[in-house]
Amino acid sequence: GAVVSQHPSRVICKSGTSVKIECRSLDFQATTMFWYRQFPKKSLMLMATSNEGSKATYEQGVEKDKFLINHASLTLSTLTVTSAHPEDSSFYICSARDNRDRGYTFGSGTRLTVV
Amino acid sequence: AQSVTQLDSQVPVFEEAPVELRCNYSSSVSVYLFWYVQYPNQGLQLLLKYLSGSTLVKGINGFEAEFNKSQTSFHLRKPSVHISDTAEYFCAVSNQAGTALIFGKGTTLSVSS
Repeated sequence: GAVVSQHPSRVICKSGTSVKIECRSLDFQATTMFWYRQFPKKSLMLMATSNEGSKATYEQGVEKDKFLINHASLTLSTLTVTSAHPEDSSFYICSARDNRDRGYTFGSGTRLTVV
Repeated sequence: AQSVTQLDSQVPVFEEAPVELRCNYSSSVSVYLFWYVQYPNQGLQLLLKYLSGSTLVKGINGFEAEFNKSQTSFHLRKPSVHISDTAEYFCAVSNQAGTALIFGKGTTLSVSS
């Protein structure tokens, strides 16, 4: 089946620094990828939709200057948390839609801790 | 716009008992429906999906779900649960144009012996 690789799985960074999270579709081309944020004991909140070769579409309330999304190729999307603060600490998960079977495959998630 | 309501936030059951996790959706257009399972600190694993055709969908690990268009429901069932089924379960919906999945708030299934 479709596989999405997400790295890193865990990252601890200092307040004020930036962190980049990568999401790769390994065996299929993903023209569209999605980024979610999950708070403890909570559901997944859609942050943005990432389209290859164009600007991401952000959900209402998500700061596009803080959460930079780049989708430069059909297999790679990145999320950069800029000037991270403790309130950005969360579990971030990417997803890619596989047009072959209309399914959505998820990465294994990134636990970000800002200290 | 679509939305998903998972009616039970927590479902405790004993091992080998049957379980049903309820999910209702709202949408003005035709939808695709999904159930995912999440174990602690991990991503989401697809249990099953409904795209079209038979309303009874069988998935992995003995789970199945039934799409009921008139009741806008997609309840997940398993006839006999195991301790290893303890996890968070999410119901999700997308429209047929392939937009992002919209998730319910999740149901914590706790299986005890």
